[in-house]
Amino acid sequence: DAGITQSPRYKITETGRQVTLMCHQTWSHSYMFWYRQDLGHGLRLIYYSAAADITDKGEVPDGYVVSRSKTENFPLTLESATRSQTSVYFCASSEGEGRNSNQPQHFGDGTRLSIL
Amino acid sequence: ELKVEQNPLFLSMQEGKNYTIYCNYSTTSDRLYWYRQDPGKSLESLFVLLSNGAVKQEGRLMASLDTKARLSTLHITAAVHDLSATYFCAVIPNFGNEKLTFGTGTRLTIIP
Repeated sequence: DAGITQSPRYKITETGRQVTLMCHQTWSHSYMFWYRQDLGHGLRLIYYSAAADITDKGEVPDGYVVSRSKTENFPLTLESATRSQTSVYFCASSEGEGRNSNQPQHFGDGTRLSIL
Repeated sequence: ELKVEQNPLFLSMQEGKNYTIYCNYSTTSDRLYWYRQDPGKSLESLFVLLSNGAVKQEGRLMASLDTKARLSTLHITAAVHDLSATYFCAVIPNFGNEKLTFGTGTRLTIIP
């Protein structure tokens, strides 16, 4: 079925470790996004991508790295995890972005990441 | 910097009652989205409001947008237990950084 899938769904790791969260979409949407969700903050944009090999920072990019070699994949890497990065991470995709799109973003099921 | 505020943050209401969730934002925008999130689940798109005066309805939920007041409302009519969830509004500003900015959410609990 078409959709957006994230893996893993749950991850526990230690401070200082590198961890990569995966995101795959089958809609061929141009735009993909990574958000983190924390109590009291709603969802905050980490990074986004307008197309393969085009990425840009969002509101809270520090400590994260992204890449997009293929349209359908948008992995998020924490190069050296810290406790403050414990959160629920959501990947999303959309056909357009900003004022060029009348469609909502579609979200994956999220990855719950705990850093000890 | 765009700020999106929702109120109330928490709402408990009885089945059969009506209530309204408010979403205020701080900059010019005529693009507003409502999402629903069940506990531990993804965000589901409910409504897309793209102009001043836009009104959308789906079942017991109705959303409206007043761009001059920078306000959107999500009205719940005759609430049922299945509507228990967290509701988020999100705004794309007309100028500057055209990124979706979310409110902090309203956790709605419907009591039988």
